[in-house]
Amino acid sequence: QSALTQPRSVSGSPGQSVTISCTGTSSDVGGYNYVSWYQQHPGKAPKLMIYDVSKRPSGVPDRFSGSKSGNTASLTISGLQAEDEADYYCCSYAGSPVFGGGTKLTVL
Amino acid sequence: QVQLQESGPGLVKPSQTLSLTCTVSGGSISSGGYYWSWIRQHPGKGLEWIGYIYYSGSTYYNPSLKSRVTISVDTSKNQFSLKLSSVTAADTAVYYCARGSMIVVVNAFDIWGQGTMVTVSS
Repeated sequence: QSALTQPRSVSGSPGQSVTISCTGTSSDVGGYNYVSWYQQHPGKAPKLMIYDVSKRPSGVPDRFSGSKSGNTASLTISGLQAEDEADYYCCSYAGSPVFGGGTKLTVL
Repeated sequence: QVQLQESGPGLVKPSQTLSLTCTVSGGSISSGGYYWSWIRQHPGKGLEWIGYIYYSGSTYYNPSLKSRVTISVDTSKNQFSLKLSSVTAADTAVYYCARGSMIVVVNAFDIWGQGTMVTVSS
């Protein structure tokens, strides 16, 4: 199992939208609709933000949305807020879970 | 609501066995529909799935760690545990326990413990 590929960093200004990509293969992202996304603030545990590609758990703002096209999944955060600054990880089922390397989101 | 809490030594000597326990509160580990998981994060790095266990005892492990990992469950104590043998400095990480929600497969980790730092050093 190879880790999924994410950009190391992305940035955006408050109010803007940013998209974080997560690229895998037909054996993971492309093969199953079981992609999840996690937000992690420094020193804290990860928090589930999106599951099953595009579903939001209760309590997650609708500013967070997920999608998938082929072997690439994406997390879009609209209306950026300062508290969105964090690390974001994707995860896909691939017979067993595999995570992406993480993306640091900076809110300028 | 369900909460998870890791416990165990923060320092382990090389070649020894790392042992951690996760205590589940606010719900029963035997309720079904969940795989109880261990995930680690090396300092400044990404997340790595270690393995998970169902309350019945069925386990699944990361192939890269399988030879050294044992995950067990104690339903009477509402706990599950991780043992990682023959540790080296490369096993130094924050170890998280997490609940894996399952419908057909484990599709997400919806509840996490706060994590516990384990350092491997003599």
